[in-house]
Amino acid sequence: SQQGEEDPQALSIQEGENATMNCSYKTSINNLQWYRQNSGRGLVHLILIRSNEREKHSGRLRVTLDTSKKSSSLLITASRAADTASYFCATDADAGGTSYGKLTFGQGTILTVHP
Amino acid sequence: NAGVMQNPRHLVRRRGQEARLRCSPMKGHSHVYWYRQLPEEGLKFMVYLQKENIIDESGMPKERFSAEFPKEGPSILRIQQVVRGDSAAYFCASSPQASGAPYEQYFGPGTRLTVT
Repeated sequence: SQQGEEDPQALSIQEGENATMNCSYKTSINNLQWYRQNSGRGLVHLILIRSNEREKHSGRLRVTLDTSKKSSSLLITASRAADTASYFCATDADAGGTSYGKLTFGQGTILTVHP
Repeated sequence: NAGVMQNPRHLVRRRGQEARLRCSPMKGHSHVYWYRQLPEEGLKFMVYLQKENIIDESGMPKERFSAEFPKEGPSILRIQQVVRGDSAAYFCASSPQASGAPYEQYFGPGTRLTVT
């Protein structure tokens, strides 16, 4: 299986509910990033969490990182229809303690938020 | 400050033709990355370039694919003798610096290549 696998593959919720997406990876990382992709569009960077961080917040987003389990989660609180998109985690491998910048993406979670 | 620009947005080529995809990084960014996205999949790293240098091309097929980032002008991803399996969305990303502190990569809108 690949580095950066998201779970679930698809998630369907009602507006106002919280959405949680998980990501697992295999190798040591320097940082982990979450991106959003609207259908047919490019990627938008959401949040970056470094390997020495455990939790990070940005607006309605909360990201956790557990390096012992090689996993991360993205929580979107009070979801909106506009949050409907695909969400990808991407890992930046640890190249001797520095960031190399070569991202490895998972296959993504398709989130649908119904109004 | 314009974002990462890619053109064309859509490209249709017949089998055997050449495809040239262009990427202009954000102003001040000297690092460019190319990724390929097949339908229903995540992005796969292809190549990482700095001005006039290919740093890592481990994700790029050995044959028919080449990339450059000249001193002047955009980065070019070139696919010769395209086949149907090359049909995908090709994304370019740029960052101001790759090593040291982690930097966010800014993605362009992508070029959707269709090989008929």
